[in-house]
Amino acid sequence: DAGVIQSPRHEVTEMGQEVTLRCKPISGHDYLFWYRQTMMRGLELLIYFNNNVPIDDSGMPEDRFSAKMPNASFSTLKIQPSEPRDSAVYFCASSFSDRAYEQYFGPGTRLTVT
Amino acid sequence: AQSVAQPEDQVNVAEGNPLTVKCTYSVSGNPYLFWYVQYPNRGLQFLLKYITGDNLVKGSYGFEAEFNKSQTSFHLKKPSALVSDSALYFCASNTGGFKTIFGAGTRLFVKA
Repeated sequence: DAGVIQSPRHEVTEMGQEVTLRCKPISGHDYLFWYRQTMMRGLELLIYFNNNVPIDDSGMPEDRFSAKMPNASFSTLKIQPSEPRDSAVYFCASSFSDRAYEQYFGPGTRLTVT
Repeated sequence: AQSVAQPEDQVNVAEGNPLTVKCTYSVSGNPYLFWYVQYPNRGLQFLLKYITGDNLVKGSYGFEAEFNKSQTSFHLKKPSALVSDSALYFCASNTGGFKTIFGAGTRLFVKA
């Protein structure tokens, strides 16, 4: 099993640009989670999906952030426009519904907004 | 409100010595508790869980954790630390749902 795949691994962009982060969950997992990790705030849950449907997006910081899951094997997290305070490591994780507590994390995307 | 606290930012231990990484929780209802480990430039890896049953749970890489309901604690332990155990450790909890709350993390340094 390839595990959760995220791309790109590193992204450097200028303030105001659109950023799209991508995630491929583990095949067969029906839950997908997006997290953000910063030194100041630790690991924060942004949004999660069940069977491609967004269930809870209360952690999304503001309207500049959006996430989609068009099918069971692909999800995107988009920031438009990006700001320097969005700089963080963004993780995608997936799990089976009967073991949602046992989440498998991808390697993360390190985003730097200048 | 549900919360997880890791009172130590960093734990230092010599190789071969026992290690403990502390965690306390505050949840309503029966807690589901977990430990994850994060190595540099990697995502979090699941180590172990407590759902119900024995208070001492065993996980990957020789780690174990003890659930203590009266002290609302779930400390991570290992009898003999290895240099390769050096990493960032996260305690986490949820109440059986899908929204997991993570602690701030504790950095473990194991010195040879």
